[in-house]
Amino acid sequence: LAKTTQPISMDSYEGQEVNITCSHNNIATNDYITWYQQFPSQGPRFIIQGYKTKVTNEVASLFIPADRKSSTLSLPRVSLSDTAVYYCLVSGGYQKVTFGTGTKLQVIP
Amino acid sequence: DSGVTQTPKHLITATGQRVTLRCSPRSGDLSVYWYQQSLDQGLQFLIQYYNGEERAKGNILERFSAQQFPDLHSELNLSSLELGDSALYFCASSVEEGDEQYFGPGTRLTVT
Repeated sequence: LAKTTQPISMDSYEGQEVNITCSHNNIATNDYITWYQQFPSQGPRFIIQGYKTKVTNEVASLFIPADRKSSTLSLPRVSLSDTAVYYCLVSGGYQKVTFGTGTKLQVIP
Repeated sequence: DSGVTQTPKHLITATGQRVTLRCSPRSGDLSVYWYQQSLDQGLQFLIQYYNGEERAKGNILERFSAQQFPDLHSELNLSSLELGDSALYFCASSVEEGDEQYFGPGTRLTVT
């Protein structure tokens, strides 16, 4: 079971690019990496998922190096509404799912 | 709106009681997951079902049980409730195991 490690918190100014890195040293061959965003008292919301290299969608990019032992979520030009907790999840198919403690991102005006 | 529904939204009950939380997954999703989130804590995975079968278990207490019915909705039963069971309980669903999960709005349980 892949365990994930993320920074507990990060601060960023509005308009900056934010990169949040997640370590997952014992990722398995069939595991995917998924990132979620959670606002207080709401269910987490899917942001992006990838297996290797780089994935980009309308809200974020996900960078995964060749060894896949870490991944970086990149949020371009953050705004105050991006203040939330960001979770990295590594899972694949039939296995226990583990969310880490998440990274609390505070965007400062 | 994720398409996952949970009822009730809020539940207040006393210690020792039993409650049932209900979850309807998104249309077409076969996998259902249950999570517990206590105040200012991360998400604790409880249990996962796929097409009616239990597939993975997390740190779910013996006082808790769940099932997924033929129509794919799921129920989480919590019994002999304790004060420490007060939390947000989320249900999520995905098309297949390992796919991105879509979370419901949660049920806030308060045990007094």
